[in-house]
Amino acid sequence: RKEVEQDPGPFNVPEGATVAFNCTYSNSASQSFFWYRQDCRKEPKLLMSVYSSGNEDGRFTAQLNRASQYISLLIRDSKLSDSATYLCVVNMNTGFQKLVFGTGTRLLVSP
Amino acid sequence: DTGVSQDPRHKITKRGQNVTFRCDPISEHNRLYWYRQTLGQGPEFLTYFQNEAQLEKSRLLSDRFSAERPKGSFSTLEIQRTEQGDSAMYLCASSPYRDSEQYFGPGTRLTVT
Repeated sequence: RKEVEQDPGPFNVPEGATVAFNCTYSNSASQSFFWYRQDCRKEPKLLMSVYSSGNEDGRFTAQLNRASQYISLLIRDSKLSDSATYLCVVNMNTGFQKLVFGTGTRLLVSP
Repeated sequence: DTGVSQDPRHKITKRGQNVTFRCDPISEHNRLYWYRQTLGQGPEFLTYFQNEAQLEKSRLLSDRFSAERPKGSFSTLEIQRTEQGDSAMYLCASSPYRDSEQYFGPGTRLTVT
């Protein structure tokens, strides 16, 4: 079983749609959680950290369920510029930030 | 540009050759990470430096791979006797302290023919 699992997609949605991505992780001792965004042939960039209480940043909402070992990302009012791959990322180490990435979910937003 | 830089951006080499990549982290960042990413996969952790000390190495880092950070600033990743399976994007990231965001460089794309 992979340490971090995501549906690879692609998710094809029209502009303005709401889309949700899910992710599960296998190590219950995981310390911290993130969503990264990666554009085609570019480096990953941090989109947002994910907290147990849930957190929101503009059109983006992230949720964490530690009991189910489940992480989600909701994007409201999708923009063309949201087209990218969204990587679910888990830090499994206490000594340093050893990131484990999922395979990524590709999002394509069309006009 | 004060971000993480990597050199070269692209490298094509023949199987069996040695290659070396360089990473220059953001200047005040003492933590440096190397990752490898293949097509359709997320980045995979290779190794971690805190200042000049290499504190963690992944099992992915075979004996043909070596990384250094001699003065706690830039880092190099060398692959000896390259194999076609080494073809990937090699990403470097840096951060200023343990729980902070990792900032990634643009990567070095290696193609082994």
